[in-house]
Amino acid sequence: GQQLNQSPQSMFIQEGEDVSMNCTSSSIFNTWLWYKQDPGEGPVLLIALYKAGELTSNGRLTAQFGITRKDSFLNISASIPSDVGIYFCAGLNNAGNMLTFGGGTRLMVKP
Amino acid sequence: DTEVTQTPKHLVMGMTNKKSLKCEQHMGHRAMYWYKQKAKKPPELMFVYSYEKLSINESVPSRFSPECPNSSLLNLHLHALQPEDSALYLCASSQRGVWGFGDTEAFFGQGTRLTVV
Repeated sequence: GQQLNQSPQSMFIQEGEDVSMNCTSSSIFNTWLWYKQDPGEGPVLLIALYKAGELTSNGRLTAQFGITRKDSFLNISASIPSDVGIYFCAGLNNAGNMLTFGGGTRLMVKP
Repeated sequence: DTEVTQTPKHLVMGMTNKKSLKCEQHMGHRAMYWYKQKAKKPPELMFVYSYEKLSINESVPSRFSPECPNSSLLNLHLHALQPEDSALYLCASSQRGVWGFGDTEAFFGQGTRLTVV
């Protein structure tokens, strides 16, 4: 099936630092979604991107849909301890019926 | 309201047991999904229902049997599971069904932590 390469796999940063993570694919997606998952919980949707080149913000989070439709990045500015968790990118196929996940980025924030 | 509700939150079952996981959403979404997630791994798609019909089965063993009684409910019936089936089972829904239109954000429930002993 389709593969999404997400990097980095993990990050350990100081509180207040900015964070950047990205996903790349060999296939085109029509929608990119970014999720955050806390241990033992379901993924929570952070940002949805629908158009190539689209740049969307949600508070301290900013995400972009790559112009080639094969990549996306997520930035978190001024990180805080509650940003700790696993961040997943996910791409939705053209039919809108299959969501493929990246491998996840584990974020750890040192107070 | 963007809530997808899953019950139970935790389930321990023996290999000879029959149990069911339940998922409910009242957002009028027409696509519902079952995912399986092992520790430190991304969710893996199991089944997709679109307009209450099974549209995708990702080669899931028959000991997992999905059911969609109506547009708001999705069940996953479990029978004769193996210890390696222990995982977090996630339900999700999205407004858009196959070949449909509308917002395509997928919302997840909190999951059922399943342990097979």
